[in-house]
Amino acid sequence: DAKTTQPPSMDCAEGRAANLPCNHSTISGNEYVYWYRQIHSQGPQYIIHGLKNNETNEMASLIITEDRKSSTLILPHATLRDTAVYYCIVRVRGSTLGRLYFGRGTQLTVWP
Amino acid sequence: DAGVIQSPRHEVTEMGQEVTLRCKPISGHNSLFWYRQTMMRGLELLIYFNNNVPIDDSGMPEDRFSAKMPNASFSTLKIQPSEPRDSAVYFCASSYLSGEAKNIQYFGAGTRLSVL
Repeated sequence: DAKTTQPPSMDCAEGRAANLPCNHSTISGNEYVYWYRQIHSQGPQYIIHGLKNNETNEMASLIITEDRKSSTLILPHATLRDTAVYYCIVRVRGSTLGRLYFGRGTQLTVWP
Repeated sequence: DAGVIQSPRHEVTEMGQEVTLRCKPISGHNSLFWYRQTMMRGLELLIYFNNNVPIDDSGMPEDRFSAKMPNASFSTLKIQPSEPRDSAVYFCASSYLSGEAKNIQYFGAGTRLSVL
């Protein structure tokens, strides 16, 4: 699986958009980008995933560059409850293995 | 559905004692994962079951750790004997392996283990 690189920490004002970058320059054509987050003292939570098209759901938007070497998770109106560690993970499409590699992620702090 | 249910939420034990962590996956899911999280090593996969069969146990640290899944609705992770370095938060997750959805794992609230 491709390795990902994320900044260790970011902060954002409440109500503003939080843009979390992820670099996955060695990604292959059959690898999806997944985002999870972990709020303090809770288990990780799935947010969104995509292959090459931009994706949006009720939680966030995922923007993947045309060359697929990087992506950005966007929380359009961050709230204090969005303070968490955000993990970007790349997984092979169609793989029979369930293994997910969680790196160190990005600690997002949303301040009032 | 109540989600993935883990018990106990907290466990404090003494070195050398046996510890059993329990997990009930989401009904209908066919895969179950045990993870361990520490400050030093982050979140690491210990073992993964598919249709109750262990598929990948390469993350199990040593023979003191064992995991079972006797049926689709229950799994245990056992540490015998426990050591202080086993202190960590242990998470269980489940998923339904089917196409894209196979990598959407749903996590329990975790068991915080302290071995004194």
